[in-house]
Formats: sequence, structure tokens, C-alpha cells
Amino acid sequence: AQSVTQLDSHVSVSEGTPVLLRCNYSSSYSPSLFWYVQHPNKGLQLLLKYTSAATLVKGINGFEAEFKKSETSFHLTKPSAHMSDAAEYFCVVSDRISGGYNKLIFGAGTRLAVHP
Amino acid sequence: DAGITQSPRHKVTETGTPVTLRCHQTENHRYMYWYRQDPGHGLRLIHYSYGVKDTDKGEVSDGYSVSRSKTEDFLLTLESATSSQTSVYFCAISESGEGYAFFGQGTRLTVV
Repeated sequence: AQSVTQLDSHVSVSEGTPVLLRCNYSSSYSPSLFWYVQHPNKGLQLLLKYTSAATLVKGINGFEAEFKKSETSFHLTKPSAHMSDAAEYFCVVSDRISGGYNKLIFGAGTRLAVHP
Repeated sequence: DAGITQSPRHKVTETGTPVTLRCHQTENHRYMYWYRQDPGHGLRLIHYSYGVKDTDKGEVSDGYSVSRSKTEDFLLTLESATSSQTSVYFCAISESGEGYAFFGQGTRLTVV
């Protein structure tokens, strides 16, 4: 079975500094991986997805993530944090279930705080 | 934004009462999912549907049932609510069932 571990439950950065949110996964086959963002009292929005194409994936709002198979990692980065980036971020792996369908396995989440 | 509406958005109910949450979509997507979100656990799958009247259990299905009589509606029922079911519930839809999904705004349920 697939699983995903987000290595930090909270990350705090200053506005204008780089963001790094770490994610490791376990998978018995080539996985599909995603990052979702959840702003306070909102639903979840897809940031970016990796589905076995380019290993460096660009998403919305300047975020990107790099798939590293040798390290089983899919870390999320952004060169310069903005106040509006404060939210909770979820690393997600797609797991195949019965009938050939997929379900999404979520990490526990990383809460990003951005300070002026 | 994908057309997903959850109702109600907030509900407080008493232990032992039945509760039904509704998810309505206007995207005609085949796959629909119910997740619950709890601190420290991310989102966990309760039940999912891969077509009208086709449903199956997820990892935390005990105490929950679902029904899908129409493509656009997916109902989640707590047969007899317990305090451990206090949570935020999210509905999600997916066109292909092979990857990412679109999520609703969530329903905050409190069982007292």
C-alpha cells in the first residue's frame, strides 16, 4: 500500500524568503503524486501534480516540486514566500484500489506561516 | 472552480441521531468520494462511488453509509452519530478516477 509522510507539521518563514515543504512517499510502483493547498475554512485546491512525465513539476502561484525516485521524495518549493501563501499544504499519493480505480492517500499536512 | 456543493456547511447534532450530508455536482463526473479531515491525520477516505448505485468502502467506513441514486448526488449518512464522528467532511469528484480530484468546501459536523 502507498503512504506519504510530511516531515514537518509546521513551517514558518519570512515574506520574501524561500519555502521548502518536505514530503516522502512509499510506493510499490511508479506513483502519481500531488500537492494540495487548503486556506483557512476553505476546500482543497490542487497546486501541482506529477504523473511520470518531467520530474520537475511547476504548479500555480510560483510553486514547484521535484520528484526524486532515488530518495522517494516530492518536496514542494517556492523561491519567495508571499503572505497569501499562508495555508495548510498536503502531499498526496494516488493509490490503486479495487476495480482499477484510484484513491488519494493524504499526508498529515504542513501548516505554513508567513511573517512580514 | 468545479461545480461541487456540500450541504449543510455546518451542523450540530446530538449523539445517537442519524445525520445525512449531501454532495451535489454539476460536472457529470463519474467518481465521487467522501473524506473526513481531522488534525494530524490529513484526509481519510470514508466511501467512494464509481457510478450510480456503485459504491465501496474506504479506510474509515465504520458507522457510515452512502448512496448514489443519481450521477450528481452522493449522500453520506451517519446512522447513529457519535462524538468520534465530529469532523470536517469533504466531498470530492474525479472525471477519470485515475488521479487528482476536485473538492467541495467541506461540512463541519459537531456531535454533542
